[in-house]
Amino acid sequence: GDSVTQMEGPVTLSEEAFLTINCTYTATGYPSLFWYVQYPGEGLQLLLKATKADDKGSNKGFEATYRKETTSFHLEKGSVQVSDSAVYFCALYFQGAQKLVFGQGTRLTINP
Amino acid sequence: NAGVTQTPKFQVLKTGQSMTLQCAQDMNHEYMSWYRQDPGMGLRLIHYSVGAGITDQGEVPNGYNVSRSTTEDFPLRLLSAAPSQTSVYFCASSYPTKRGGETQYFGPGTRLLVL
Repeated sequence: GDSVTQMEGPVTLSEEAFLTINCTYTATGYPSLFWYVQYPGEGLQLLLKATKADDKGSNKGFEATYRKETTSFHLEKGSVQVSDSAVYFCALYFQGAQKLVFGQGTRLTINP
Repeated sequence: NAGVTQTPKFQVLKTGQSMTLQCAQDMNHEYMSWYRQDPGMGLRLIHYSVGAGITDQGEVPNGYNVSRSTTEDFPLRLLSAAPSQTSVYFCASSYPTKRGGETQYFGPGTRLLVL
């Protein structure tokens, strides 16, 4: 079945460090791919998305590129801030299937 | 717009008790879903609805019932709570697009503890 695998956390970095959170997926067909972020005590909110191969999603300095050949959608940011501390979820979605398939989440902590 | 709202924020139940988790959205979204979030497992779909009067099961539907009498509301019912239902529950809504990549809007969650 369809599945998403994220790098295990927790991840701890210093402010201004480079961030990569790996995400790979297994799916039949070509899903849309998402990164959602969950700040402490809140629900999930969309960070960025890509709907087809080679699309790059970007938001708030974060980027991810839909790589069909490696079935990946790695999240990157060049210089993280303390305010980026949160749990990040990679997810895939098939139009018509009406559901998101989530990875297990990666907790990110940024120290000043 | 209030977006997606959920009540209560926190609830403690005893095994065997019943309760309803409320979810409402004011964005006129056709699609609504319920997920549960457990440590190390991401979010898993419980039930979903593609419109008023239409519901279907997700990945983990056992022990839960839903109904969708209006576009705005999508309550989740636990008929006989079990400790395995201790979790954080999120409601989400979205609207269909032809291009795909529908963004789901999540509520703030309900933390449920079943003793």
